[in-house]
Amino acid sequence: SQQGEEDPQALSIQEGENATMNCSYKTSINNLQWYRQNSGRGLVHLILIRSNEREKHSGRLRVTLDTSKKSSSLLITASRAADTASYFCATADNYGQNFVFGPGTRLSVLP
Amino acid sequence: DSGVTQTPKHLITATGQRVTLRCSPRSGDLSVYWYQQSLDQGLQFLIQYYNGEERAKGNILERFSAQQFPDLHSELNLSSLELGDSALYFCASSVTSEIFGTSDTQYFGPGTRLTVL
Repeated sequence: SQQGEEDPQALSIQEGENATMNCSYKTSINNLQWYRQNSGRGLVHLILIRSNEREKHSGRLRVTLDTSKKSSSLLITASRAADTASYFCATADNYGQNFVFGPGTRLSVLP
Repeated sequence: DSGVTQTPKHLITATGQRVTLRCSPRSGDLSVYWYQQSLDQGLQFLIQYYNGEERAKGNILERFSAQQFPDLHSELNLSSLELGDSALYFCASSVTSEIFGTSDTQYFGPGTRLTVL
């Protein structure tokens, strides 16, 4: 079964708006990572947050992690058309193994 | 460009056949991971190799096998192919700390699109 589950499955916003995607997981994790995938291409790593961290920023990205709720959120501020892609969360277990990707959120940013 | 290369880019074959996918990791990365991405199953972790040794196993079928060679490139062998094996196969690499229990950023290759007819 999937460890990570993203929500929503699809999101459509206007350029300049913020986009928030959520990820829930089931078991204890070593870290949680967010990746972006443009259609049919390889995944690109965005950000990694460790289990002892609560929030992390990278440019227009903000990631939070709530281990008590087993959930994470990815916020993209001031979205651009180039942000249109699928976004995946991925978790690794406490041994740093068994990487599991969620089904992804498909983000469309309209100009 | 992630620095991870995969060949071939596309592969079309028939059911029952065997194919080999090849991956060259980023320079300096010791770990190689293989993933399968299909529309109905999403992105599935298959297997990880670290410095030539198998380190973690995911949802890899018995018909599939992989290895990592001394020069750190890796091959994924798929045999007795079925229609359902049609998918994008990604390879990723990472530095991977020698300290057990950590995981690192993975850098993905462009993928091999396998079509089984």
